[in-house]
Amino acid sequence: TQLLEQSPQFLSIQEGENLTVYCNSSSVFSSLQWYRQEPGEGPVLLVTVVTGGEVKKLKRLTFQFGDARKDSSLHITAAQPGDTGLYLCAGALRGTGGFKTIFGAGTRLFVKA
Amino acid sequence: KAGVTQTPRYLIKTRGQQVTLSCSPISGHRSVSWYQQTPGQGLQFLFEYFSETQRNKGNFPGRFSGRQFSNSRSEMNVSTLELGDSALYLCASSLVGQNYGYTFGSGTRLTVV
Repeated sequence: TQLLEQSPQFLSIQEGENLTVYCNSSSVFSSLQWYRQEPGEGPVLLVTVVTGGEVKKLKRLTFQFGDARKDSSLHITAAQPGDTGLYLCAGALRGTGGFKTIFGAGTRLFVKA
Repeated sequence: KAGVTQTPRYLIKTRGQQVTLSCSPISGHRSVSWYQQTPGQGLQFLFEYFSETQRNKGNFPGRFSGRQFSNSRSEMNVSTLELGDSALYLCASSLVGQNYGYTFGSGTRLTVV
């Protein structure tokens, strides 16, 4: 069974603080995606990383894909209340029928003003 | 362009009944995937359809089925509903497959009583 372990599960921080969310697996992924989900809505794709060691930045968010393509991290600088939400990582595995995507359990982030 | 449209948004059904959920993907997207999201299990993959063919299937019982039409619209059906089927059902579309990430719909909240 392929698993994608995400940590921490829950994070409550003050506005202006920095944080890092981790996503780890023993599987090698073709790509890894990060999503943010707000209550009552579907997840929204933030970024896709494909190459081992790749780093992508999206304003105050920095995403890194591990060299071996088994893990990833999301770092938020100077968090704001608008960053509050459920952050999900998802890894795409190549199989005989195309790709299969598995999701981590999510990190619920709450940023207090 | 229009996003992924799921109907209905909310549904209440009684145990033993059956239900059909609908998903219209982004225009031009040929791959449609379905996920079940619950607080305890997170996002669990149900199945993926590509060009009217089921390309991948998750580990759900045969009560869960789906299909895709020639215009890429997809439906999923759950027969003999159980209380444990209460969940947010999410449809996701992508251009050719899962490797570069999905665009999700807002989901259908199914409650089985």
